[in-house]
Amino acid sequence: GAGVSQSPSNKVTEKGKDVELRCDPISGHTALYWYRQSLGQGLEFLIYFQGNSAPDKSGLPSDRFSAERTGGSVSTLTIQRTQQEDSAVYLCASSDGPGGYGYTFGSGTRLTVV
Amino acid sequence: GQQLNQSPQSMFIQEGEDVSMNCTSSSIFNTWLWYKQDPGEGPVLLIALYKAGELTSNGRLTAQFGITRKDSFLNISASIPSDVGIYFCAGRDGANSKLTFGKGITLSVRP
Repeated sequence: GAGVSQSPSNKVTEKGKDVELRCDPISGHTALYWYRQSLGQGLEFLIYFQGNSAPDKSGLPSDRFSAERTGGSVSTLTIQRTQQEDSAVYLCASSDGPGGYGYTFGSGTRLTVV
Repeated sequence: GQQLNQSPQSMFIQEGEDVSMNCTSSSIFNTWLWYKQDPGEGPVLLIALYKAGELTSNGRLTAQFGITRKDSFLNISASIPSDVGIYFCAGRDGANSKLTFGKGITLSVRP
C-alpha cells in the first residue's frame, strides 16, 4: 500500500484480556518495527523484523508481549493478559532496509486497558 | 543502552519567531534524523543527516549533524501555527542498526 496501515486505530480492553494489533507495512519494505509511545515517554523500541533474519526482540518489556511477521509482510503484535500499564499508543514503522533513509510510521493503535 | 537527550520537554513560542531544538548523546551516531508528530498521527520524517558537519534545509527547517557526531540541532524559522507538534530526534550508530529516539519536544505556537 501507499503507507503503513495499522488496525484497529483504537482498542479498549479489559484488564487480563489478550489483544492483537495489526500492521501492514509499505509493500516491498523488508524491515518492520514496533514502538510503544506512552505519555511523555517518547518512543520505546519493542521489536524489529528484517527480512528472513531472526527478529530483534530486545525491547519487549515482558513475556506477555510477542510479535510475528508472516510472509515478510503483515505483522501482528500480541499482548497477553493485558495490564493497565500496557495502555499506550503502539506504532508500527517500516523501511526499505536497515540502512534505509528512515522509517515510515503508521498512525498507531491507541490501546486503553480498563 | 543508548540514549538521546532532548530538552526541555515543552517549548512555547510566538508565531513568527524562530526556535532551535537540540539533541545530544553520550555516544556517537552515524545518522541523525528529525521527525515531527501531529496529534493522532505517527511521526513523519523531516530531515535526515548522514555526515558530520552536514547542514541541511527543508523549507523553513534547518538541521545540522554535529562535528563530534554526538549532537544535532533543528531550527525552525518564522514559525506558523501548523508547526505545533512533537519533534523527535533519532540516531543510528551503524548501517544495520535500528533507530534510537529521543523523548521529544512538544512545541506550542501562540498566534
